[in-house]
Amino acid sequence: DAGITQSPRHKVTETGTPVTLRCHQTENHRYMYWYRQDPGHGLRLIHYSYGVKDTDKGEVSDGYSVSRSKTEDFLLTLESATSSQTSVYFCAISGGRDRNTEAFFGQGTRLTVV
Amino acid sequence: KNQVEQSPQSLIILEGKNCTLQCNYTVSPFSNLRWYKQDTGRGPVSLTIMTFSENTKSNGRYTATLDADTKQSSLHITASQLSDSASYICVVSALYSTLTFGKGTMLLVSP
Repeated sequence: DAGITQSPRHKVTETGTPVTLRCHQTENHRYMYWYRQDPGHGLRLIHYSYGVKDTDKGEVSDGYSVSRSKTEDFLLTLESATSSQTSVYFCAISGGRDRNTEAFFGQGTRLTVV
Repeated sequence: KNQVEQSPQSLIILEGKNCTLQCNYTVSPFSNLRWYKQDTGRGPVSLTIMTFSENTKSNGRYTATLDADTKQSSLHITASQLSDSASYICVVSALYSTLTFGKGTMLLVSP
């Protein structure tokens, strides 16, 4: 399995509090992604990174910010969590010259906002 | 808008039987199509990746087909096992763009 670690694996937080999810990779892949997965929806892209300090928005980026200060770490922050952000969050990585190469997913973080 | 539609939404089959899952897409310009397996509570794991020029690709008991003209793909599972119970997700990649995910087909293999 690709070396991707998400932390925490589970978190319960209160509405209005800040939350940071971490994705750590040991594969030295260039691209990192954050997705959310909700019942009735496919995985939806929140933000992605194509290099250190290079990030861009996905289709559901409102309410989320990201940072990538090192190749191996990609952080997803909910500045003020809302109940609509209750979801399972997946980090993914891909590498190579063509970014349309194999994507490997982490195990997911289940976030509950109460 | 890029879209990926999968059918059926869910499927129950008996252990040992075969099944075929469908994927239709409107992603353009097409780069590649992937099938992922997602076990409950885990991240998706890649089964196959096919580019425009590939019609068929196999991975053990899994065989994916691609018709780029009709923009359709199928995933055929042979001699199903209980461990095949999972969600199967079709993912299409556009050139120089991000991935578009289908909602998945939930497969239950019953003893």
